[in-house]
Amino acid sequence: QSALTQPPSASGSPGQSVTISCTGTSSDVGGYDYVSWYQQHPGKAPRLMIYEVSKRPSGVPDRFSGSKSGNTASLTVSGLQAEDEADYYCSSYAGSNTLYVFGTGTKVTVL
Amino acid sequence: EVQLVESGGGLVQPGGSLRLSCAASGFTFSSHWMHWVRQTPGKGLVWVAHINGDGSPTSYADSVKGRFTISRDNVKNTLYLQMNSLRGEDTAVYYCGRGGKPVAIDYWGQGTLVTVSS
Repeated sequence: QSALTQPPSASGSPGQSVTISCTGTSSDVGGYDYVSWYQQHPGKAPRLMIYEVSKRPSGVPDRFSGSKSGNTASLTVSGLQAEDEADYYCSSYAGSNTLYVFGTGTKVTVL
Repeated sequence: EVQLVESGGGLVQPGGSLRLSCAASGFTFSSHWMHWVRQTPGKGLVWVAHINGDGSPTSYADSVKGRFTISRDNVKNTLYLQMNSLRGEDTAVYYCGRGGKPVAIDYWGQGTLVTVSS
């Protein structure tokens, strides 16, 4: 099972929005509404930001939103803040054999 | 407060074995799926294995199937990963995680580094 494809980097100025794509196939992203997004700061553990495509766990700011169209999921961070600078990974359920697959990761830079 | 604390990482020779532990607290351990995920230094996340709250079923990534075994002790609130026949490509930080949301890991440990090298 190949990793989901994400752009290596994305950037925006404070207050702006940035959108990260996560492209898979009909066997993972397109086949299930089980896409998650994780934020990871350097040297830290990942943090769940979005699950089931667009749901936010408690404590995650509503500046973070998720969506999906076909085989591509997206994470949008609105009103960028300095603390949003981090690596972001998507993940998807991929069926009973492979189970879970992560994306390649996107480094978000706040200019 | 949910806490996950991994231990057991270290330097091991190719072909060797290592057992990782993840001590859980702050939640009803037996009610949750648990996962192991690894991250090669400077690279991305890779799911390794997961286990049901009762201890069965278990599932593994193809890259570790037949070499790694995930297990749990619901009395000690501890998750384990027995790693045998280790290879250089198994070198990574290993995280344990709680499956608290449908098909998502809502809490992660701080990770433990496993280095496979002669």
